[in-house]
Amino acid sequence: EIVLTQSPGTLSLSPGERATLSCGASQGVSSFLAWYQQKPGQAPRVLIYGASIRATDIPDRFSGSGSGTDFTLTISRLEPEDFAVYYCQQYGNASPLTFGGGTKVEIK
Amino acid sequence: QVQLQESGPGLVKPSQTLSLTCTVSGGSISSGGYYWSWIRQHPGKGLEWIGYIYYSGTPYYNPSLQSRLTMSLDTSENQFSLKLSSVTAADTAVYYCARYSSANRFYFFDYWGQGALVTISS
Repeated sequence: EIVLTQSPGTLSLSPGERATLSCGASQGVSSFLAWYQQKPGQAPRVLIYGASIRATDIPDRFSGSGSGTDFTLTISRLEPEDFAVYYCQQYGNASPLTFGGGTKVEIK
Repeated sequence: QVQLQESGPGLVKPSQTLSLTCTVSGGSISSGGYYWSWIRQHPGKGLEWIGYIYYSGTPYYNPSLQSRLTMSLDTSENQFSLKLSSVTAADTAVYYCARYSSANRFYFFDYWGQGALVTISS
């Protein structure tokens, strides 16, 4: 099973600041990686798929990069509605689909 | 707009079978290319993929749960279902149904239900 490790566990930032979230895979997953945002009491929402492709209606302040084992989600300028938990998810070959443990972006 | 809604008992006794149904509206589960999925989230924890069933009816299960899982489609009702047998307190979680679809040859979960809390307790 491919393990995804997200860092940091918690990111404390102010609105308007830049957020950089990392996701590391225990084996290469090419670009088969997606990012989701989850707010309290809500289901996750896809932000990025294919490591760098923004999903429909996702603002361009969200961007994804990376391939293989190292991936990054960047939020260029945090808006109040961006404070949430973010998960990466992979579906590499010969492994069950897995999610990372999440990064919480909280207001500083 | 595709919508998914989970339904089923919120309380299940240990050793019994957890059964959930996901009703899909705004699209047919028989439409090609989609995997109809179950994901769970233990209280205060991260997400765990349980499995999915292809529109053709072929299931794919998480190996960690495979021995206890059964998934099925009911195309006449536009629903898909999850059965998890021999449950314990460790199966207490919010269970989400979701659609796993593709764009530009990449897959992702694009539509989710609101989630159903299932508690395992006597």
